[in-house]
Amino acid sequence: NAGVTQTPKFRILKIGQSMTLQCAQDMNHNYMYWYRQDPGMGLKLIYYSVGAGITDKGEVPNGYNVSRSTTEDFPLRLELAAPSQTSVYFCASNGLSNEQFFGPGTRLTVL
Amino acid sequence: AQSVSQHNHHVILSEAASLELGCNYSYGGTVNLFWYVQYPGQHLQLLLKYFSGDPLVKGIKGFEAEFIKSKFSFNLRKPSVQWSDTAEYFCAVMFNSGTYKYIFGTGTRLKVLA
Repeated sequence: NAGVTQTPKFRILKIGQSMTLQCAQDMNHNYMYWYRQDPGMGLKLIYYSVGAGITDKGEVPNGYNVSRSTTEDFPLRLELAAPSQTSVYFCASNGLSNEQFFGPGTRLTVL
Repeated sequence: AQSVSQHNHHVILSEAASLELGCNYSYGGTVNLFWYVQYPGQHLQLLLKYFSGDPLVKGIKGFEAEFIKSKFSFNLRKPSVQWSDTAEYFCAVMFNSGTYKYIFGTGTRLKVLA
């Protein structure tokens, strides 16, 4: 199993550009999550999904959108990038044990 | 609102010293509790978890944590730290409200001096 994979690893965006962060898992987990990690702030939940076709907002959803058309994939969309979205983004999934498995992260810089 | 507090933001210890990192949460119902570790440049990995039963749980690499329900606490301990324990440690709580949402603490950055 590859676990949770994320692409890209690094990205620099200009203000106002858009992009999609990709996340995939091969563990057949129903639950998937997007977090952002900022220094000294821990992880903040952006969006999560309890299954294909079902998504819900987390603590900091503004400026982001998600979709979940399959069990495996959970992309995160930034429509109009802003400097405040400079962060490290982690995707995670969990199955029956409620233990979260994290991807390697995407480091995004918005200039 | 549900919240998780980690009181120590930065901890510096010498090798062989004992470690205790505090974690408190704000909710009085049933919770699932976790400690994750993030080594430099890596993603988060599970250290240990508590769902029910014995409140003293043991995890990987000699770590343990004690759930004290009356204090809403889940402190992480290790009797003797090693240089390789240098990392950031996160407490996380799944509040059993049926939403499967996790709340993470702000993290404790541990530096172990050789």
